[in-house]
Amino acid sequence: AQRVTQPEKLLSVFKGAPVELKCNYSYSGSPELFWYVQYSRQRLQLLLRHISRESIKGFTADLNKGETSFHLKKPFAQEEDSAMYYCALSQGAQKLVFGQGTRLTINP
Amino acid sequence: NAGVTQTPKFQVLKTGQSMTLQCAQDMNHNSMYWYRQDPGMGLRLIYYSASEGTTDKGEVPNGYNVSRLNKREFSLRLESAAPSQTSVYFCASSDLASGNTIYFGEGSWLTVV
Repeated sequence: AQRVTQPEKLLSVFKGAPVELKCNYSYSGSPELFWYVQYSRQRLQLLLRHISRESIKGFTADLNKGETSFHLKKPFAQEEDSAMYYCALSQGAQKLVFGQGTRLTINP
Repeated sequence: NAGVTQTPKFQVLKTGQSMTLQCAQDMNHNSMYWYRQDPGMGLRLIYYSASEGTTDKGEVPNGYNVSRLNKREFSLRLESAAPSQTSVYFCASSDLASGNTIYFGEGSWLTVV
């Protein structure tokens, strides 16, 4: 069965430190993976998707098919990065399977 | 630019009561979804509608019904609310034309007592 696992419910780092939010998946086909973010009092929104190979707000994520991972990284955390982050896998037909989410807190 | 709007934002129900969550999108998207968000569980798909006139069950459909009223609107109904349905509900929409990016509403906080 398709599954997305985010092993850390909570992650706290200091401003300026590197950030890595882990995401592992299980999927029998060719995966399409996303990171969604939910800032305080805002709606869930797309942060980035692996097929775009882009950097958004300094975040990048590389799909590693060998390790079935799609970790989200940022070299220098900023306070405005504090939010809830969800990794998601597309099952086709535009359905997304979400991980449990990681609450990231950036300490000043 | 409203995007996806859902109502009500907050609701308290008694066990056994019924209610309907309304959702509308103004982006001319074909696909619409209802998710629930629970602590430690992430977002789980309740029902989705790939196009007007079709609906399909997601991961957690029990206790819910949906109606794709037209291309814009997709409602979620709780026929007999249970405390286990206390959750935050999110409506969403997407389309091939938008690169399959899913756009979410602001959420509806439902408490069943």
